[in-house]
Amino acid sequence: QKEVEQDPGPLSVPEGAIVSLNCTYSNSAFQYFMWYRQYSRKGPELLMYTYSSGNKEDGRFTAQVDKSSKYISLFIRDSQPSDSATYLCAMSNNFNKFYFGSGTKLNVKP
Amino acid sequence: DTAVSQTPKYLVTQMGNDKSIKCEQNLGHDTMYWYKQDSKKFLKIMFSYNNKELIINETVPNRFSPKSPDKAHLNLHINSLELGDSAVYFCASSQDGGWANSPLHFGNGTRLTVT
Repeated sequence: QKEVEQDPGPLSVPEGAIVSLNCTYSNSAFQYFMWYRQYSRKGPELLMYTYSSGNKEDGRFTAQVDKSSKYISLFIRDSQPSDSATYLCAMSNNFNKFYFGSGTKLNVKP
Repeated sequence: DTAVSQTPKYLVTQMGNDKSIKCEQNLGHDTMYWYKQDSKKFLKIMFSYNNKELIINETVPNRFSPKSPDKAHLNLHINSLELGDSAVYFCASSQDGGWANSPLHFGNGTRLTVT
């Protein structure tokens, strides 16, 4: 079993829709949770990061962590075609080793 | 200015060859990494260096040898390339091992194709 599981999609939504992306994990020691966005032929870029449980909001993006369920989510409001990318969740229990999900490919149709 | 830059961007080579990928970061970070991303987009850590010292070496074949001449550079040399080595290799860096000041910052990848 992989440390982090993520539905690969693809997920196709119309412009303006609310998007929900999710990851589950097995290691209860994870404390740091991140979401990265990766455009085609580019490296992943950090979108959001949170520590422990709770919500964090940044513009149209909201990250949620539920440690009791070992479940994290990224919500994108008012989705735009420019949001079309692969979204990777990542998590860590220390500062050196990060575990990534396999990414969910999102397509926002104009 | 590119924060984490790696060269070459594309690398096509034959089985059995030896090749190197170079990485440089101008962020002043202490820790650098090599990640491998397979065709299904799964990112897996290979190596991590902190101030030129190897701190993570995941179960990577001995054919892969990282070298860090200084904390701003981390190169990856691959001997006797195999078909299964075909992937995108990402260099990344972070400050103080990755959390307090910055999570990972990635380069744009080197797409390696072994024929």
